[in-house]
Amino acid sequence: NFMLTQPHSVSESPGKTVTISCTRSSGSIANNYVQWYQQRPGSPPTTLIYEDNQRPSGVPDRFSGSIDSSSNSASLTISGLKTEDEADYYCQSYDSSNSWVFGGGTKLTVL
Amino acid sequence: HLQLQESGPGLVKPSETLSLTCTVSGGSISTSSYCWGWIRQPPGKGLEWIASMFYSGSTYSYNPSLRSRVTVSEDTSKNQFSLKLSSVTAADTAVYYCAVDKPMAQPDWGQGTLVAVSS
Repeated sequence: NFMLTQPHSVSESPGKTVTISCTRSSGSIANNYVQWYQQRPGSPPTTLIYEDNQRPSGVPDRFSGSIDSSSNSASLTISGLKTEDEADYYCQSYDSSNSWVFGGGTKLTVL
Repeated sequence: HLQLQESGPGLVKPSETLSLTCTVSGGSISTSSYCWGWIRQPPGKGLEWIASMFYSGSTYSYNPSLRSRVTVSEDTSKNQFSLKLSSVTAADTAVYYCAVDKPMAQPDWGQGTLVAVSS
């Protein structure tokens, strides 16, 4: 099994761009799709990105996902930050036994 | 999108069995290639995968740390799948979510249900 490591917290100003990383501990990040979820307090997670870089309908194009094999990591980039983007963000992938693996979550502060 | 709704007791006594059901609408749990899962989130903490299943092929996967206490099952007549977690302790207090992962489409999650373990 592998782990997904995210920064505990990030902060940035409104209007700026922030990138949240998700590093896979073993095996290639490209082996299994990565999803990204946003969770606001008291609400369930909502899907921001699926299958590495696909955006569900209704998710603004300010949100984008990518993977980087050289760093064995996935990234969620949020541009044009808004105060409403303040939330917890989780990455998620799969291992070979169809287990779901979650990152520890990143708290985004927009100040 | 599929709609998923968790249901079950909000309070369970220590050492008893937690039982939750996820009712699916907008699609069938017997759809091949759909992976149905249970995830939990203790208060103030991150997401923890519990178990998942592919109805097609009856393939089940369990979090190794919970495997000995977890059972998942399905009821196609009611379009539901269920979770049982035995011998619960206070550490099992969490919001429990059901979710579905679909190829070439976004995952869908239920709203979650809070289960407290207390006497």
